[in-house]
Amino acid sequence: EVQLLESGGGLVQPGGSLRLSCVASGFTFSISGMSWVRQAPGKGLEWVSLFHDDGDIHYSDSVNGRFAISRDNSKNTFYLQMNSLRADDTAVYYCVKDRGDSWGQGTLVTVSS
Amino acid sequence: DVVMTQSPLSLPVTLGQPASISCRSSQSLVYTDGDTYLNWFHQRPGQSPRRLIYKVSKRDSGVPDRFSGSGSGTDFTLRISRVEAEDVGVYYCMHSIRWPWTFGQGTKVEIK
Repeated sequence: EVQLLESGGGLVQPGGSLRLSCVASGFTFSISGMSWVRQAPGKGLEWVSLFHDDGDIHYSDSVNGRFAISRDNSKNTFYLQMNSLRADDTAVYYCVKDRGDSWGQGTLVTVSS
Repeated sequence: DVVMTQSPLSLPVTLGQPASISCRSSQSLVYTDGDTYLNWFHQRPGQSPRRLIYKVSKRDSGVPDRFSGSGSGTDFTLRISRVEAEDVGVYYCMHSIRWPWTFGQGTKVEIK
C-alpha cells in the first residue's frame, strides 16, 4: 500500500522559512515522480512543484525562486524548502505521487505575524 | 498556460440519479505519445483529494464503476451514473500535458 506522510508544517512569520518532508513507502520511490500540491483555506488546488521521473524540476510562477524541492532516495524522502514565506503561502501542502495517483494527508503551513 | 474551466461550479443532485460535470481546456490535451492527459479528482470535506480517472477514461483502482470519464481534445465529462451519499464533495479536473499542471476551479456536489 502506498503511503505518503508529510511533516514540518506550522506557524511561521512572513519572510521566514520552513522545510516540509514527505516519507514515502509502498512503492519504488527512486523511479517515481513526486510533487507538492497546495490548497489555501477554502480554495482550490494548486500544483506547486514537480520532480519529474526524468529528473526535471518545475515550479509554479507563484513560488519560483523562493521554494526548492529535493529528494533523498536512500531515505525515501521528498522535501520542500520554503523561503521568503508570504501570507498567501498559507495552505495545506500535500505530497503527491506521479500524476496524482496517491496523496498524503497534508500538512498545514500558516504564515502570519 | 493551459486553463481548465469546469461547469457547473455547484451541482445539487438527487440520490440515485445521474450527474455530470464538464471540463474544457484552453488547449488540446493530446500529447505527442498519443495519450490525452486529463484527470479527475474527488475531495470529500476534510480529506485529501483522490484521483478517480486518468487519461480521460481510465478508472483508478478501487473506483466504483458508476464513475466514468469521456471526451477528447479540449472537452471532457465526468459522469456519475447513480449518485450515492459518499459522492458529495468537490470534483476537480486537471491536466498534466505540460508544465504548469493546472486544475479546474472545482465543482461542488451536494445532495438536494
